[in-house]
Amino acid sequence: DGGITQSPKYLFRKEGQNVTLSCEQNLNHDAMYWYRQDPGQGLRLIYYSQIVNDFQKGDIAEGYSVSREKKESFPLTVTSAQKNPTAFYLCASQTGPLNNEQFFGPGTRLTVL
Amino acid sequence: SQQGEEDPQALSIQEGENATMNCSYKTSINNLQWYRQNSGRGLVHLILIRSNEREKHSGRLRVTLDTSKKSSSLLITASRAADTASYFCATDRGAGRRALTFGSGTRLQVQP
Repeated sequence: DGGITQSPKYLFRKEGQNVTLSCEQNLNHDAMYWYRQDPGQGLRLIYYSQIVNDFQKGDIAEGYSVSREKKESFPLTVTSAQKNPTAFYLCASQTGPLNNEQFFGPGTRLTVL
Repeated sequence: SQQGEEDPQALSIQEGENATMNCSYKTSINNLQWYRQNSGRGLVHLILIRSNEREKHSGRLRVTLDTSKKSSSLLITASRAADTASYFCATDRGAGRRALTFGSGTRLQVQP
């Protein structure tokens, strides 16, 4: 099956802990994205990567970090510096320029206890 | 900041009726896309309309784009209970920002 996967589906974290969310795609897409979604809201861009070993901050990058060591993988770390990390996190990938559709993973719901 | 703003925020209709959602945006765009999200799931792409297009159809979906008014509409005809979801518009603002900007969404409820 071709697609984009995220794990885990649900994640609980204590305050002050860093946590890493996984995003993997086997679609051979160059570009990958991380979004945050709060209840009843739209998507806000955290980080994106157009190519391996390169990434750019989105609108709400503070308190987050990413890496792009492999084309297939774009993990997101939510650090203790993120003041309000409880949210639904969505990863997406895309081939070519922005006039193509983005493919989304199923999301990870992070809850900070 | 959100580039796109959908209107209405929520819409409830009966099966068989048409549903119309609107999206307004602020800056010039290369294209505009519509996505659907079932509760607690990822987004699914519905349709893309380019800045030089005015209307596009896909099955029961009809999208219009008015670049002079910086607005788009999504029409779902003959709605079904399975169309219940949130619908988002997303814009590509072109050079310099290689990422889509999503609106806040319209939550559609189709009553059987």
